[in-house]
Amino acid sequence: EAGVAQSPRYKIIEKRQSVAFWCNPISGHATLYWYQQILGQGPKLLIQFQNNGVVDDSQLPKDRFSAERLKGVDSTLKIQPAKLEDSAVYLCASSTDRGSGELFFGEGSRLTVL
Amino acid sequence: QKEVEQDPGPLSVPEGAIVSLNCTYSNSAFQYFMWYRQYSRKGPELLMYTYSSGNKEDGRFTAQVDKSSKYISLFIRDSQPSDSATYLCAMSRGGYSSASKIIFGSGTRLSIRP
Repeated sequence: EAGVAQSPRYKIIEKRQSVAFWCNPISGHATLYWYQQILGQGPKLLIQFQNNGVVDDSQLPKDRFSAERLKGVDSTLKIQPAKLEDSAVYLCASSTDRGSGELFFGEGSRLTVL
Repeated sequence: QKEVEQDPGPLSVPEGAIVSLNCTYSNSAFQYFMWYRQYSRKGPELLMYTYSSGNKEDGRFTAQVDKSSKYISLFIRDSQPSDSATYLCAMSRGGYSSASKIIFGSGTRLSIRP
């Protein structure tokens, strides 16, 4: 079974530039999450999708971050304009919602904002 | 006060030692308790999952939940160098989906010395 795919793995941009990250979840997983993990911290939920709909985006900085999930499968997370404090690893995860509480994470996209 | 508190370490122990990792939390609504392991430059992977209070054992790993004290623990017996990683505790309130609103601790960095 293929895991969660993310790209790009690494991205370096200057502040005020834009960046987009892509995620392809495990086939059949209805729920998709984007987490932000700053160095030395645990992952922080940015947005959760259930199929096409948003379940929770309370911690997404909506003035600069946006996310969409196309046809309930792939998802894109965009940052525009980027700030220095956005330097982090952006983790995508998916789950089956069978009640196990198990998230399957991708390897992450590491963003450095200069 | 953070909802989930975890000592960041680092924790260094010799091979074969018993390791104890802990988290405290403030929200009594948490029902699902998880431990994730994260190797360097990788996404987290689920190690242990417990619902409500009690113990759960899986091989060399034992997870304990004490809801009265709002305290959870992960024990690793006969620790191996391959156990060197960051360990993240995570908790969820449950609800529509048990995988909803998972909140992570900041992680404890563990190193097992050969």
